[in-house]
Amino acid sequence: GNSVTQMEGPVTLSEEAFLTINCTYTATGYPSLFWYVQYPGEGLQLLLKATKADDKGSNKGFEATYRKETTSFHLEKGSVQVSDSAVYFCALSESTGNQFYFGTGTSLTVIP
Amino acid sequence: EAGVTQFPSHSVIEKGQTVTLRCDPISGHDNLYWYRRVMGKEIKFLLHFVKESKQDESGMPNNRFLAERTGGTYSTLKVQPAELEDSGVYFCASSQRLYGYTFGSGTRLTVV
Repeated sequence: GNSVTQMEGPVTLSEEAFLTINCTYTATGYPSLFWYVQYPGEGLQLLLKATKADDKGSNKGFEATYRKETTSFHLEKGSVQVSDSAVYFCALSESTGNQFYFGTGTSLTVIP
Repeated sequence: EAGVTQFPSHSVIEKGQTVTLRCDPISGHDNLYWYRRVMGKEIKFLLHFVKESKQDESGMPNNRFLAERTGGTYSTLKVQPAELEDSGVYFCASSQRLYGYTFGSGTRLTVV
């Protein structure tokens, strides 16, 4: 079946620190991979996505590369800001279906 | 364009009571989805409407949950009777094409 495993939180970093949130997946087919972010009091927002192996998704300084050989889609940012404090969810969707499979979420707090 | 709107944002009810959650999708979006995040766990798919028809309800946990979508517009999710394990955040999303998801901010349900 399909599943997503992501790094347990919470994660606390100082401003300008490097961020990595690990995400690995299991899928029966050829999924597309996503990172969603939920800022306090808001809904889930698409942060970035990658639709095939070796694709790199990027947005707002965040990056993630679709690694088929390691079934991973780790989220990285070189220098985090206080405004990046949020909960981050890794997710996959099979190419032929509409349903998303999410990880448990990783809470990130960035302190000044 | 207005986003996906969910009502209420928070609900606290006693075990055995009934609660109805509402989701107003983006106007013109045929696809409407319900998801749920139980505390600390992954966000899980509940069901998918295409217009007023249930396309996939494989994620509905049991028959205490009833979802409807009147005239293919807004949707309601009723829990009757509510149990403690139903507590969590219920997300609604809508899309007009595959992967073009927009999520609402969620309804936090607490059953005491």
